[in-house]
Formats: sequence, C-alpha cells, structure tokens
Amino acid sequence: RKEVEQDPGPFNVPEGATVAFNCTYSNSASQSFFWYRQDCRKEPKLLMSVYSSGNEDGRFTAQLNRASQYISLLIRDSKLSDSATYLCVVNMNTDKLIFGTGTRLQVFP
Amino acid sequence: EPEVTQTPSHQVTQMGQEVILRCVPISNHLYFYWYRQILGQKVEFLVSFYNNEISEKSEIFDDQFSVERPDGSNFTLKIRSTKLEDSAMYFCASGRTSYEQYFGPGTRLTVT
Repeated sequence: RKEVEQDPGPFNVPEGATVAFNCTYSNSASQSFFWYRQDCRKEPKLLMSVYSSGNEDGRFTAQLNRASQYISLLIRDSKLSDSATYLCVVNMNTDKLIFGTGTRLQVFP
Repeated sequence: EPEVTQTPSHQVTQMGQEVILRCVPISNHLYFYWYRQILGQKVEFLVSFYNNEISEKSEIFDDQFSVERPDGSNFTLKIRSTKLEDSAMYFCASGRTSYEQYFGPGTRLTVT
C-alpha cells in the first residue's frame, strides 16, 4: 500500500466551481500534514498546513481525520490560476516529507 | 520575500561523470534538504542536514551521493558517478523548523 495515496485526476472544473481533493495515508504514526501546490515543471510550494481542528485560508479549507487517516482540501470559487497539481504531504516526526503523486486540477473559463 | 535559489537550472552530463548541484538556502534557516523528482513521478526525499551533519537519508542516497555546506550560505549535492537513472529534477529545500520546508526552483539533471 502506498504511503500517501491521491486520485491523480485530472479534475476539470469551470471557474467559480467548488472542488474537493482527498488523500489517504497509510502510517498512523504520521504527525504533520500539508498541502503543497506544484505547477508544471516547477517546485512544490507550501499551500497550507493541515491541523486536526481543520483550517481555512481564504478560499482553501483543509480537514484532517486521524481515525480514518484521511486529509482533504476544498477550493471554493475556483480561479484559472488555481490550475496546478495539488500534493498531499505527510511527515512522521522525522525530517523527511512523504509526498503523494498529486491530483491535477484544470480550471477552465 | 526570501527564496531558496539553485544553480544551475539545467545540467547535462555524461554517464560516469561527477556533478555538483548548488543551493543557497534562506538565510535564517537551520534545516536543509535535497529531494528529487523523476519526470512524471512523485517527489522523493534524499537527505536532510542539520547542525553540519546528515540527520536522515533515504535508500536512494547511497555512496554515490554526498552533501556539504562548505560555507555559511551554500549547500551542495554531489553525485560522484552519474547513472542514466539519476536523470531527474533535484530540489533543495530549507526550513527554520523541520516541519515547514520551502523548496528552491530545482536543477534539472540530464544524464546521457
């Protein structure tokens, strides 16, 4: 079983739509959780950390369910500029980040 | 806003040659990392470096790889004898803590 599993997509949505991505992780010892964004052939950029209580940053909401080992990202009012690959990332209280393969989002006009 | 920088942006080398990839982490960061991403695959951890020594490394980071922080600003990754399968994007990252890591733009390594 993969350490971090994501639906690769692509998710094709119109501008203004709400879209949600899910991610599952296999190791219950995972301690920290993040969503990164990666544009084509560019570096991963930290979008937000994910906290147990859930957290929101503008149009982005992240949720964590430790019991189900499940993380989600909700994007409201999608913009063309949101088109990218969204990477689910976990950390098990060590130095390394463990990346999922990413979910590709394409927002169209 | 301070950023991690990496040079060169693209490196082409022949199999068996040594390459050095360079990174300048964000200045007040204490934790340094190298990751790689083979085209079409996920980002993979290679090594972490803290307090002038390797703190963790992956199975990928074998004897062909080494890291160094030769001065107060640079952080380098050396591959001694490159193989075709080393072709990938290599990302340097740094952080004030080990939890939040900020990535540089990457060096695309092509081994022919």
